Amino acid sequence: AQKVTQAQTEISVVEKEDVTLDCVYETRDTTYYLFWYKQPPSGELVFLIRRNSFDEQNEISGRYSWNFQKSTSSFNFTITASQVVDSAVYFCALSDTGNQFYFGTGTSLTVIP
Amino acid sequence: KAGVTQTPRYLIKTRGQQVTLSCSPISGHRSVSWYQQTPGQGLQFLFEYFSETQRNKGNFPGRFSGRQFSNSRSEMNVSTLELGDSALYLCASSPRRDRELRRQYFGPGTRLTVT
Repeated sequence: AQKVTQAQTEISVVEKEDVTLDCVYETRDTTYYLFWYKQPPSGELVFLIRRNSFDEQNEISGRYSWNFQKSTSSFNFTITASQVVDSAVYFCALSDTGNQFYFGTGTSLTVIP
Repeated sequence: KAGVTQTPRYLIKTRGQQVTLSCSPISGHRSVSWYQQTPGQGLQFLFEYFSETQRNKGNFPGRFSGRQFSNSRSEMNVSTLELGDSALYLCASSPRRDRELRRQYFGPGTRLTVT
């Protein structure tokens, strides 16, 4: 069975601090896709990144970076120099070969000015 | 290009009633998925439609149903509403069931409150 775990329910950081959001997944598939989405207070989920199971390269996009480690089944997300606009709920998700998506329960990030 | 639209945005219903929610995907997108989001359960997959056929179904009772039309627009229906059905219902569309894409574009959701 597929499962995504985001153990951190809520995180608060002071502006300009770095913060890492953890994501651990379970799957028996050898081919799968991992995602991060951001849900601001407006409610609409915003796509941040997709990574397939064959690509373990870490990725950096501006202040965002992602660390994918198959050995530990983790796909962690780091925000560097956090800003108030980063305050949102962040979801990690896994898509299996059947095109079904499994979401974690989300991590609510609050950046305090 | 217009994004995914969902109507209505807010809805209040009474227990026992039924409700129909609508989702219009991004033009050209043929896959539509529905999710239920609640504070306790998070985002849970309801079903996915592609080319008017249900391709995947989550673990929800038969009171939850859906359909997709030839123009890819989708509706979901919940019959005999229960208090626990109160949630944000999100619709997501994607260009096709291409495993190399798999990116879903989400709509703003319909907030359903059952009293």
